[in-house]
Amino acid sequence: NAGVMQNPRHLVRRRGQEARLRCSPMKGHSHVYWYRQLPEEGLKFMVYLQKENIIDESGMPKERFSAEFPKEGPSILRIQQVVRGDSAAYFCASSPRSGGNEQFFGPGTRLTVL
Amino acid sequence: EDQVTQSPEALRLQEGESSSLNCSYTVSGLRGLFWYRQDPGKGPEFLFTLYSAGEEKEKERLKATLTKKESFLHITAPKPEDSATYLCAVQGRIGGGYQKVTFGTGTKLQVIP
Repeated sequence: NAGVMQNPRHLVRRRGQEARLRCSPMKGHSHVYWYRQLPEEGLKFMVYLQKENIIDESGMPKERFSAEFPKEGPSILRIQQVVRGDSAAYFCASSPRSGGNEQFFGPGTRLTVL
Repeated sequence: EDQVTQSPEALRLQEGESSSLNCSYTVSGLRGLFWYRQDPGKGPEFLFTLYSAGEEKEKERLKATLTKKESFLHITAPKPEDSATYLCAVQGRIGGGYQKVTFGTGTKLQVIP
């Protein structure tokens, strides 16, 4: 199955710890997008990356959050010093190219901050 | 800023009772309007892309239509397995550059046997 893969599926962290979420795009896709979804809310765009480049990070909080998509390996969303408000489902999507193409989503990582 | 409003928030149908979900949008030039289905605890599953007013697409019991202001997802003779949250999203177009995709909050559909 060449779908978008995310791991871990569930992640529990205590306040102040770091969370690392991984995303492997579909085969042949070079564009990755991260979204956050809170209960009863829509998917909120966080960041758009291509290999080794951040194209748009306008939806990502300025502090504690960072993302990368290295030349080799998965894309990583990193949250430092997590707080309870970071608890949410984080989804990764990929597309073969930007602009007008549908995005295919992974199963998500559910982050719980104790 | 692009906006997407979906209605109703929740819809309960009897099996076989056809209905429509609405997605109203404002966008600076439409590059694409997308419909997704999301089951509890899972990621959104792509259904359709519509690009211009008047366009229609069908898949099994689902049919998506598009006007300049809104899109409808028509569900004909739904079955219990159609129960899910249906998400609408738009991508605008400003020049030739990238524009982020904006999602609505979804319509939660429940189909009763």
